[in-house]
Amino acid sequence: DQQVKQNSPSLSVQEGRISILNCDYTNSMFDYFLWYKKYPAEGPTFLISISSIKDKNEDGRFTVFLNKSAKHLSLHIVPSQPGDSAVYFCAASVYGNEKLTFGTGTRLTIIP
Amino acid sequence: EPEVTQTPSHQVTQMGQEVILRCVPISNHLYFYWYRQILGQKVEFLVSFYNNEISEKSEIFDDQFSVERPDGSNFTLKIRSTKLEDSAMYFCASRGQHYEQYFGPGTRLTVT
Repeated sequence: DQQVKQNSPSLSVQEGRISILNCDYTNSMFDYFLWYKKYPAEGPTFLISISSIKDKNEDGRFTVFLNKSAKHLSLHIVPSQPGDSAVYFCAASVYGNEKLTFGTGTRLTIIP
Repeated sequence: EPEVTQTPSHQVTQMGQEVILRCVPISNHLYFYWYRQILGQKVEFLVSFYNNEISEKSEIFDDQFSVERPDGSNFTLKIRSTKLEDSAMYFCASRGQHYEQYFGPGTRLTVT
């Protein structure tokens, strides 16, 4: 089941620069997307979400972009900080359906 | 800030034994979930629970699994007869009116 894919297992970015994490999906029924951040030995922490009626949502340093025609979303973190080093998961769901389908995650390392 | 809590943080059990994993969701949330993550794999949906009944379950959630909300605060996952392949991190999540699910820190279940 590869409905949500994060093709980059890892990413290294210098502190202060922009981090861009990518996610692709195959199920055209998905209409709600979320990004979670996870530290080792902790649960996923909700960061930001977007519904399919929008193509951008911004919250502080975090912006999520959705390209429905390409079935692609991305998370931008600007500026990147050392505390942003974690594994980032994208997840998708269908409105009215409770299940979140997760990607495999991208490990982000911020280099001081 | 309200958070989802889970106990125990680590549970070791022998194959064939019953285990109960406990969760206290965020107090005004109405929707509750269990997910699991086998080491090195994706976070997978197990079950959702609303209004004192299961609203959706995955194929993983077979007759060996059950969920209960025994009182106004706890939400439990029971595995009746554990197998080696049940070893995983189990995450509880809850949500309120919006669609973001908030996760607990997880219980590491080790079946020997």
